[in-house]
Amino acid sequence: DTAVSQTPKYLVTQMGNDKSIKCEQNLGHDTMYWYKQDSKKFLKIMFSYNNKELIINETVPNRFSPKSPDKAHLNLHINSLELGDSAVYFCASSQAVRRLYEQYFGPGTRLTVT
Amino acid sequence: GQQLNQSPQSMFIQEGEDVSMNCTSSSIFNTWLWYKQDPGEGPVLLIALYKAGELTSNGRLTAQFGITRKDSFLNISASIPSDVGIYFCAGPLSGNTGKLIFGQGTTLQVKP
Repeated sequence: DTAVSQTPKYLVTQMGNDKSIKCEQNLGHDTMYWYKQDSKKFLKIMFSYNNKELIINETVPNRFSPKSPDKAHLNLHINSLELGDSAVYFCASSQAVRRLYEQYFGPGTRLTVT
Repeated sequence: GQQLNQSPQSMFIQEGEDVSMNCTSSSIFNTWLWYKQDPGEGPVLLIALYKAGELTSNGRLTAQFGITRKDSFLNISASIPSDVGIYFCAGPLSGNTGKLIFGQGTTLQVKP
């Protein structure tokens, strides 16, 4: 009965590789997000989708590409991984009408690039 | 750009003590949110505030939306060991896009 789930939980990979993180929510929300949390625990939004449409695209390198096959799923694909991409990536979701900012977070994916 | 400043950055308290932390902004917010992050987990929404002056409780937690709309406060009464974690305040940026800005967090440690 997990609300927002992400896979994998941990991801260790080498520089230059391509990897994907998957996110699913079963809350019936129509808006989903990707956040990045750095080593100092600072949380910053990267992308958001509403009903499969890209709404927010922060200044994120083009190597990061989100994809939303339907409103319950939002995946993050990262090309040519760099050392600086190491961080924890969180998926979140919310309901656009009236509760847009009450966002529910997944457990996170810890990405380590070596 | 807009920033949220949380104070204190960290706290180490004895079990049973009350805790107070705050969050300030250089600009006005229409919504304030408080989240808690346990180690190795994602942030969990504790309280959402929508009106200046609003005081809302969630169990032993009470949060207030400052009258100036540039600050918010979170109090925890009678702390217990499971209160350990990082507490984040957050507020929406303009445009009704869902974009939240987060404070840098207050780390709470509770000594049994």
